[in-house]
Amino acid sequence: SQQGEEDPQALSIQEGENATMNCSYKTSINNLQWYRQNSGRGLVHLILIRSNEREKHSGRLRVTLDTSKKSSSLLITASRAADTASYFCATVGASGGSYIPTFGRGTSLIVHP
Amino acid sequence: ETGVTQSPTHLIKTRGQQVTLRCSSQSGHNTVSWYQQALGQGPQFIFQYYREEENGRGNFPPRFSGLQFPNYSSELNVNALELDDSALYLCASSRDLGGRYNEQFFGPGTRLTVL
Repeated sequence: SQQGEEDPQALSIQEGENATMNCSYKTSINNLQWYRQNSGRGLVHLILIRSNEREKHSGRLRVTLDTSKKSSSLLITASRAADTASYFCATVGASGGSYIPTFGRGTSLIVHP
Repeated sequence: ETGVTQSPTHLIKTRGQQVTLRCSSQSGHNTVSWYQQALGQGPQFIFQYYREEENGRGNFPPRFSGLQFPNYSSELNVNALELDDSALYLCASSRDLGGRYNEQFFGPGTRLTVL
């Protein structure tokens, strides 16, 4: 089963626009991470936000976390064609001692030059 | 610092055969996790190895097995291949410091096609 579910499934925008992707999850988390994947290759870790954090920034990326709504969003500002990729959220549970991230199905982002 | 590497890049097998995929961990990492990613899906956790012992397993049948070696490299073995085993297999390594989540670094994956 997949804990996080991204929305939308696909997003198509023009270069320079902002891209927002959302992730919803069901159970309490220790942290939530966002990853990027280019064309069926390996995943690249973008950012990790812990359950006691509400917002984090990394370059053009901004991640928010609302634990009361069990949701997170990833904002990519001033998008570039090179941002075209699939983006996944992954949650790490808060209990049971398991630190295995559970991935959603991802959002496919296309940025048109 | 060497990143996570996987071999082979691509592999084609027929149903019923056996396959071994390999992963070399990033330098200094002692934990390896394997994931299966079907087309259009997110990665699904298969199992994790820490200090050569299985340290957690997802919802995969016993015909999926693994090994971790003293140098922390790892193998994923799949017996009696089925068509649904066709997927991208990802290896991720991390440095387990005990009792907390540690960032995983992913390899480029092995694309397995079962005919």
